Amino acid sequence: EPEVTQTPSHQVTQMGQEVILRCVPISNHLYFYWYRQILGQKVEFLVSFYNNEISEKSEIFDDQFSVERPDGSNFTLKIRSTKLEDSAMYFCASRREGDEQFFGPGTRLTVL
Amino acid sequence: GENVEQHPSTLSVQEGDSAVIKCTYSDSASNYFPWYKQELGKRPQLIIDIRSNVGEKKDQRIAVTLNKTAKHFSLHITETQPEDSAVYFCAPKTGGSYIPTFGRGTSLIVHP
Repeated sequence: EPEVTQTPSHQVTQMGQEVILRCVPISNHLYFYWYRQILGQKVEFLVSFYNNEISEKSEIFDDQFSVERPDGSNFTLKIRSTKLEDSAMYFCASRREGDEQFFGPGTRLTVL
Repeated sequence: GENVEQHPSTLSVQEGDSAVIKCTYSDSASNYFPWYKQELGKRPQLIIDIRSNVGEKKDQRIAVTLNKTAKHFSLHITETQPEDSAVYFCAPKTGGSYIPTFGRGTSLIVHP
């Protein structure tokens, strides 16, 4: 069964550095999402992406964040200048049509 | 935006007992009501969902019931097993958007 994949599984970075988190959605899916989950807390929506543009974003998704679909398979989240409070698990998700979203295994980001 | 509350935050049961987790939401336009299971360090996985035109749905030991008038839906797990131990999130979605709002999660512990 096809799955969403994410790389790396764990990323450690220094405060102020840029990071790029990568996702490969399920191949015939059309809608893509990024979520974050701070340790022990709930999953929070960041951004949704469809037809090569952002369709919705939350208050968390400020100017430090950007998303891109550089080719037909990858979907990336960039954080330009990381802060300590960006430390979290970042999940990518995708769906084709309908409501069900399929989540990737996550990237644990640690900002030192 | 949608206000989502989950109760209880922690639920401890003996193997074989039943477990019930309740999710209340605020937006009467919500039309999709999923439950996710998240094991430690893993991705959220959809275990059951229900749509606003159905009151109850069952899948083996798992069931979801919906009360649209009272704006709540519940997850029911019968004959619990140790492998049911995880954090369970509800994530209702409002009509016109595909962005779910996650509850804070319920940690279910099933003692052998």
